[in-house]
Amino acid sequence: DTGVSQDPRHKITKRGQNVTFRCDPISEHNRLYWYRQTLGQGPEFLTYFQNEAQLEKSRLLSDRFSAERPKGSFSTLEIQRTEQGDSAMYLCASSLSAGGQGDFNEQFFGPGTRLTVL
Amino acid sequence: LAKTTQPISMDSYEGQEVNITCSHNNIATNDYITWYQQFPSQGPRFIIQGYKTKVTNEVASLFIPADRKSSTLSLPRVSLSDTAVYYCLVGGYGQNFVFGPGTRLSVLP
Repeated sequence: DTGVSQDPRHKITKRGQNVTFRCDPISEHNRLYWYRQTLGQGPEFLTYFQNEAQLEKSRLLSDRFSAERPKGSFSTLEIQRTEQGDSAMYLCASSLSAGGQGDFNEQFFGPGTRLTVL
Repeated sequence: LAKTTQPISMDSYEGQEVNITCSHNNIATNDYITWYQQFPSQGPRFIIQGYKTKVTNEVASLFIPADRKSSTLSLPRVSLSDTAVYYCLVGGYGQNFVFGPGTRLSVLP
């Protein structure tokens, strides 16, 4: 399967614990995005990378959240000191971009990681 | 970013054509219109994108009037498997994707 993959698919944790999610984009894609989606709502943009550079972060991304994309390949999203309000589906997407800050090329989404904070 | 307005939900029957209209009154000159489909417990999937007039691919058509203040996604002969949430997005170079709550389409037998 050459699509976007995410791991784990489900994560249950207790409040205050740290969690880390991984995203493997489509191999030739240079842009990688993270979104958060809660029940009944559309995905909310969190951050994105152009290769290894993190170019934009939403104000939704508090200082408890950090994302990395070492070597411009896979990416990790870490949430420290989780809160119940962090419970959501975390989606990763990738695209092939010609460059510049943001564009509207087709994004390919992974299946998501569903986080439940007890 | 241009704000979009879509119906919250729609019902249809198998075999019918479904048209979902999205309003985007403050669309900018360089904005594109993109539609995504999302099934439960899956990430969104690209359906179609257009700038003006009509775009057609193997799964849908997108109609955009001359003023571009709205657009209509047309799904021909829907089946039960088309039951999903459909998102209309408007934006262009220099912007990121902004998803609204979408339109929940239910296809009935």
